[in-house]
Amino acid sequence: AQSVTQLGSHVSVSEGALVLLRCNYSSSVPPYLFWYVQYPNQGLQLLLKYTSAATLVKGINGFEAEFKKSETSFHLTKPSAHMSDAAEYFCAVSDRGGAQKLVFGQGTRLTINP
Amino acid sequence: GAVVSQHPSRVICKSGTSVKIECRSLDFQATTMFWYRQFPKQSLMLMATSNEGSKATYEQGVEKDKFLINHASLTLSTLTVTSAHPEDSSFYICSATGTSGASYEQYFGPGTRLTVT
Repeated sequence: AQSVTQLGSHVSVSEGALVLLRCNYSSSVPPYLFWYVQYPNQGLQLLLKYTSAATLVKGINGFEAEFKKSETSFHLTKPSAHMSDAAEYFCAVSDRGGAQKLVFGQGTRLTINP
Repeated sequence: GAVVSQHPSRVICKSGTSVKIECRSLDFQATTMFWYRQFPKQSLMLMATSNEGSKATYEQGVEKDKFLINHASLTLSTLTVTSAHPEDSSFYICSATGTSGASYEQYFGPGTRLTVT
């Protein structure tokens, strides 16, 4: 079975500061990994995905994540936070075949302080 | 491309009534659709997976007689919450995979907030 753990349900940073959202996964098979962002009362928007190509993945809005197999991690970073980055972020894992079901982490609420 | 819509965006219904939520893929054919529910300040939980023309596969603990899923065409799936109760109040989100993008890419709808009074 696959699982995802997001460390920190709430992260608060200052505008312009580094954003680091942590995600660790568990999977018995090589995984696909995803980061999604959700704004209030909206669906999910894909930020980036890892599908076994480059381990450093660049996404939209200046976000990137690095797949580290030895640490079973897929942390999300952004060098400089903007006020518009305030949202809920979800890390998710799926296997590479079958129904491609996504298993989501608990979510991390990112707050940006002016 | 790869847009998924949901209707309605919000619905309020009385306890004991049924409500139908539609999920449509607007610019691609959705061979597989997924239905999730999300309680306030919680993560998304997969309820069921449906393939066009087949019966839905429900996750453990989800009552299939209560949450009826129909995936009758390649662009439409519906979720009907039968005999709704206040504990069914939640945010329901659908996603789809299909002829747009890679098979592992799910495209999410904007969600439907159901309130049962």
